[in-house]
Amino acid sequence: DAKTTQPPSMDCAEGRAANLPCNHSTISGNEYVYWYRQIHSQGPQYIIHGLKNNETNEMASLIITEDRKSSTLILPHATLRDTAVYYCIATTSYGNKLVFGAGTILRVKS
Amino acid sequence: NAGVMQNPRHLVRRRGQEARLRCSPMKGHSHVYWYRQLPEEGLKFMVYLQKENIIDESGMPKERFSAEFPKEGPSILRIQQVVRGDSAAYFCASSAGTGDHGYTFGSGTRLTVV
Repeated sequence: DAKTTQPPSMDCAEGRAANLPCNHSTISGNEYVYWYRQIHSQGPQYIIHGLKNNETNEMASLIITEDRKSSTLILPHATLRDTAVYYCIATTSYGNKLVFGAGTILRVKS
Repeated sequence: NAGVMQNPRHLVRRRGQEARLRCSPMKGHSHVYWYRQLPEEGLKFMVYLQKENIIDESGMPKERFSAEFPKEGPSILRIQQVVRGDSAAYFCASSAGTGDHGYTFGSGTRLTVV
């Protein structure tokens, strides 16, 4: 699995967009970028994944650079309930374990 | 459709006792993954199982820990002769395997060894 690098923490004002960066400069062609989050010791929650195209779902958007060396998770209108640790993981799809790094602690403030 | 069910939610064991943690995957999922999260630390992979087979146990401690996923019933993570350092949250995730993206995690079992 490719190594990912994320800032240790970020703050975001409630109602504003939260943009969480992730560097994965050694990602290989068959590795996807996955984002999960963990809210206060609950089980991790899947957010979104992508291979090379930008993706959007009801929770977030994922922007992957053309060279695939980095990506950004966007929470369009952050709420206090989005305060969590966000993990960016690069790995091949299905049947492969997820390896979690330290992630980014996102604090949404009112 | 129920999610990944883990029980018990909280488990207290005295040093030297055995701990058995259960994980029922989502319906239709045949792949199970166990993770451990020590207090104030990140999630560490322990073991990956498919029905009746251990696929990857590279994260399992060499002694006292074992896991199984029988043909019928939940996956079991078993810790023998628990020590205080085993106190942690243990999470289980499941997937359908081939072609499946987005693993589903359970709410975890908090093990406290006293």
